[in-house]
Amino acid sequence: DQQVKQNSPSLSVQEGRISILNCDYTNSMFDYFLWYKKYPAEGPTFLISISSIKDKNEDGRFTVFLNKSAKHLSLHIVPSQPGDSAVYFCAASGIRGSTLGRLYFGRGTQLTVWP
Amino acid sequence: GAVVSQHPSWVICKSGTSVKIECRSLDFQATTMFWYRQFPKQSLMLMATSNEGSKATYEQGVEKDKFLINHASLTLSTLTVTSAHPEDSSFYICSARGLAGGTYTQYFGPGTRLTVL
Repeated sequence: DQQVKQNSPSLSVQEGRISILNCDYTNSMFDYFLWYKKYPAEGPTFLISISSIKDKNEDGRFTVFLNKSAKHLSLHIVPSQPGDSAVYFCAASGIRGSTLGRLYFGRGTQLTVWP
Repeated sequence: GAVVSQHPSWVICKSGTSVKIECRSLDFQATTMFWYRQFPKQSLMLMATSNEGSKATYEQGVEKDKFLINHASLTLSTLTVTSAHPEDSSFYICSARGLAGGTYTQYFGPGTRLTVL
């Protein structure tokens, strides 16, 4: 059962525009969310995270928004650059029970930024 | 920033041999380490979770006698694929969770590509 879902397997955006990657989750025990970026044949690289006590976290061109009531988060990349082309994984973790210390991943969204 | 290294980055071995992959957290102490496997065009699959000094907890369907995990220190975990077979060929990624920069987060190694002939 996929507890973290990224329903768009791919996204194509022109350079300079905004990229919005979406993620939904089902487990209400999740309280910490992360985004990772992954190039082929490499390990994921941590991008940005957000705790459930916040609804927004910004780091440079990357902003993550969290809507707890909708169990939805999104990653905004502005402006998008060709080097951002990669697979982006959404992940969630919790502090209680079976979610403690574990990361649950979505299947990823392939972002392609074209010139 | 926090760095996790893996060694080797790429290994080719003959069927029936064993392969050891090392995972190190370079500038923080990893209270928990995780081992993942990634199949092409799929999400990361968690294989096992290990805490320093304890036995690893394996996910359902992962053979603990085949994938031996040792977490001897707060900075080193090893995964040994015993009697490897071609179906074990995959991309193995370790991850370390600990306090880095004032917050707990989880960082990933660069991965190890295993090819079993």
